[in-house]
Amino acid sequence: SQTIHQWPATLVQPVGSPLSLECTVEGTSNPNLYWYRQAAGRGLQLLFYSVGIGQISSEVPQNLSASRPQDRQFILSSKKLLLSDSGFYLCAWKVGGNTEAFFGQGTRLTVV
Amino acid sequence: GENVEQHPSTLSVQEGDSAVIKCTYSDSASNYFPWYKQELGKRPQLIIDIRSNVGEKKDQRIAVTLNKTAKHFSLHITETQPEDSAVYFCAASINDYKLSFGAGTTVTVRA
Repeated sequence: SQTIHQWPATLVQPVGSPLSLECTVEGTSNPNLYWYRQAAGRGLQLLFYSVGIGQISSEVPQNLSASRPQDRQFILSSKKLLLSDSGFYLCAWKVGGNTEAFFGQGTRLTVV
Repeated sequence: GENVEQHPSTLSVQEGDSAVIKCTYSDSASNYFPWYKQELGKRPQLIIDIRSNVGEKKDQRIAVTLNKTAKHFSLHITETQPEDSAVYFCAASINDYKLSFGAGTTVTVRA
C-alpha cells in the first residue's frame, strides 16, 4: 500500500534562518507531488506541484522554493525565513487523472 | 487560474439536523469536484467526489450536488452526529494534476 511521510511535525525557526521540509512517498511510482500551506480562514493554498523529477511548478510568488531530486521525494526550502512564512504545511501526492489526493501529516512551522 | 469560493466559513448545527456547505468555481473547464474532511489535528481526507458528467452522488449520510451551468456544487450531511464536527474543504480541478481548494467550513455539531 502507499504511504506518505512528512517531517518534522513541528518546527520553530528564527527569522532569517533556512528551511528544509521533506516529504517522501512509498508504494507508487511517478506520483504527482504537492506542497500546500494551510492558514486560518484561507483554506489550502497550493504552493508548488511536480509531475516528475526536476519538474516544479510554482503557484504563488513567495519566499519559498521546491525541489524534486528523486521520483518520490519532494522538498520545500527557504534560504531566509520570514515571519509570514509561519503556517501549517502539507505535502500531498496523487496519481494522474481525477483521483484522490493523499496528504501527509503536516508540519507546523513557527517563525519567531 | 481556478478560483473556488466556499460558504459558510463556520456552521453550527444541532445533532440530527442537516448541514449544507456551498462552493462556487470560476473556470467552466473544471471537471472534478472532491470534498475533504479534516478533523482536529489530522490530515485532510477525501469523503466524496463528483465528476462533471454527474449531477448528484450519495454515500450514506453525505451527498454532493453539482450544477455546471451555475458553476456551483454543494455538500449535504444528513442526520449529523458529533463525529461530523470537522473542517470541510471543497475543491475543483481543471486538469489531471492540480486541485484548487476553498477556504474551508468549520462544522460544529451540538449534542
